[in-house]
Amino acid sequence: GAGVSQSPSNKVTEKGKDVELRCDPISGHTALYWYRQSLGQGLEFLIYFQGNSAPDKSGLPSDRFSAERTGGSVSTLTIQRTQQEDSAVYLCASSLLDTDTQYFGPGTRLTVL
Amino acid sequence: SQKIEQNSEALNIQEGKTATLTCNYTNYSPAYLQWYRQDPGRGPVFLLLIRENEKEKRKERLKVTFDTTLKQSLFHITASQPADSATYLCALASRSNYQLIWGAGTKLIIKP
Repeated sequence: GAGVSQSPSNKVTEKGKDVELRCDPISGHTALYWYRQSLGQGLEFLIYFQGNSAPDKSGLPSDRFSAERTGGSVSTLTIQRTQQEDSAVYLCASSLLDTDTQYFGPGTRLTVL
Repeated sequence: SQKIEQNSEALNIQEGKTATLTCNYTNYSPAYLQWYRQDPGRGPVFLLLIRENEKEKRKERLKVTFDTTLKQSLFHITASQPADSATYLCALASRSNYQLIWGAGTKLIIKP
């Protein structure tokens, strides 16, 4: 079946602009995660959605970052007033349960000029 | 503070030999540990999960060990092949909330 998809695959934006990154998880997966990965670094947790529970936003680096998950499926990560330090690969993952294997999308490479 | 460490230097191994990667952690009470493979430009792909009460797990040419006393996991690839070249990430799930905490990964290069 279809895996996790993310769009766009690449995004170049100017400092100060807002960007939206999209994630389509595997159908039926209740848990959805957003991570950020900078070059040569490990995955930095950003936000976690589980079913209808309130999301765990503890990893969001600032209030410029927000995320939504509509209908328990598609998720959008929004970065407002982008800064150069926001440049990274943003990865989305989903899992059937929160204690289960995570399945990752290909990521969105964000470059802020 | 909580920390997961993987060797940041690339590991070069001759084809056919066994590659061994290390994941060390501090200040965690892990429920389980996972190993993932990541190729350039792609998201990580799950390989193996080992729970806190398990010493060893195998899958084909892969073997993972978990020593909660040493706070260390070893990941072995036997009969390594150039196609095994990738970055390998370890991730710990703590007992408190099961969120995965990730190491930075070790780049493995298998030379023909």
